[in-house]
Amino acid sequence: EAGVTQFPSHSVIEKGQTVTLRCDPISGHDNLYWYRRVMGKEIKFLLHFVKESKQDESGMPNNRFLAERTGGTYSTLKVQPAELEDSGVYFCASSQVVTATNEKLFFGSGTQLSVL
Amino acid sequence: LAKTTQPISMDSYEGQEVNITCSHNNIATNDYITWYQQFPSQGPRFIIQGYKTKVTNEVASLFIPADRKSSTLSLPRVSLSDTAVYYCLVATYTGGFKTIFGAGTRLFVKA
Repeated sequence: EAGVTQFPSHSVIEKGQTVTLRCDPISGHDNLYWYRRVMGKEIKFLLHFVKESKQDESGMPNNRFLAERTGGTYSTLKVQPAELEDSGVYFCASSQVVTATNEKLFFGSGTQLSVL
Repeated sequence: LAKTTQPISMDSYEGQEVNITCSHNNIATNDYITWYQQFPSQGPRFIIQGYKTKVTNEVASLFIPADRKSSTLSLPRVSLSDTAVYYCLVATYTGGFKTIFGAGTRLFVKA
């Protein structure tokens, strides 16, 4: 069974450009999460989808970040326009359990975003 | 939210048992405790999960006292490949299920 896949693995862009990150969760997983780790900081929650609906987007930094999950399958996270402080590793995770706190998250390898 | 606190780093030698303790004083009644392992350039990977008492799998053991305000991850006979960052997590329901990562514990296993 394929795990969570993220694309691209690395992205280097200039300030002001747009970047779109993609996450393909494990098939059948309704929960999809985006996290981010900025250099030297903790892994921070960004948002949570249940199928195609945004369950919690309280961690999104600002309106330059837009996450979508059309059809409840893969998800994209767009940063437009990118700023220097957006640099970091963006992780996607998925899980099967929707309504309990004993869910197990399966993570992708992350996208390393560098904004120059 | 149930925030977790762990030691920043630990050193060990190959073959030793390593115990990493995490405190989660504000854990809610229905919350589970989950531990993840992360290697450089990879995403966190599930190790073990528990609610109370003791849980053991092929990788580790998890000890949770009766008050559930802390938990201890036990790695038996560590090897060099166990060098990684270990995260203790408590998932909390706040209108949606939010999993909060702490700083993690950086374990360095020496030969």
